[in-house]
Amino acid sequence: IFLTQSPATLSLSPGQRATLSCRASQSVSSYLAWFQQRPGQAPRLLIYDISKRAPGIPARFSGSGSGTDFTLTISSLEPEDFAVYYCHQHDNWPLTFGPGTKVDIK
Amino acid sequence: EVQLVESGGGLVQPGGSLRLSCAVSGVAVGGNYMSWVRQAPGKGLEWVSNIYTGGSAFYADSVKGRFTISRDNSKNTLYLQMNSLRVDDTALYYCARGPNCDSWGQGTLVTDSS
Repeated sequence: IFLTQSPATLSLSPGQRATLSCRASQSVSSYLAWFQQRPGQAPRLLIYDISKRAPGIPARFSGSGSGTDFTLTISSLEPEDFAVYYCHQHDNWPLTFGPGTKVDIK
Repeated sequence: EVQLVESGGGLVQPGGSLRLSCAVSGVAVGGNYMSWVRQAPGKGLEWVSNIYTGGSAFYADSVKGRFTISRDNSKNTLYLQMNSLRVDDTALYYCARGPNCDSWGQGTLVTDSS
């Protein structure tokens, strides 16, 4: 399953809403996750099973979608949210990650 | 708290071998689905391999036949044996826990020396 993410880069200001898209080449059941990666750091799980927040993840992060179209929404960007975001499916082999969306400061 | 600490990376010539380790604390490596994920410099994440609690292992096509994932329950450590290394295997290698990769190490860097 190939994952595409759009946009490649999202330039926003703190306080704005971010909407990130992940599209799969074929239907994914519920095994779709989102990760955040800050520069020089390991990825961090934000959302799993499409819409479940991982422990300790703030409520401003939410996931939605079904089938082949999925969305990560950050309701109001905080300074620490400027990072790269990856979607990931572990529904079918080989497991795959999307190419990432960079959220940077406008 | 789950902690994962990778080691074993370094400079390697094309065709060479390297064994990466991931020391696990806070949970039993044998009781968890574990993965290796890599990231080439400046690039995105690429799944490499994982191992189920029962021992079944799966690999990306790019490493199949060259890499072997294993674990030592007595040492609570996950391994990745990498043989016939290629230039495009250069990456930061992370180990991660669970099907959702809910815990990650800081990675160990594998670089080709050519």
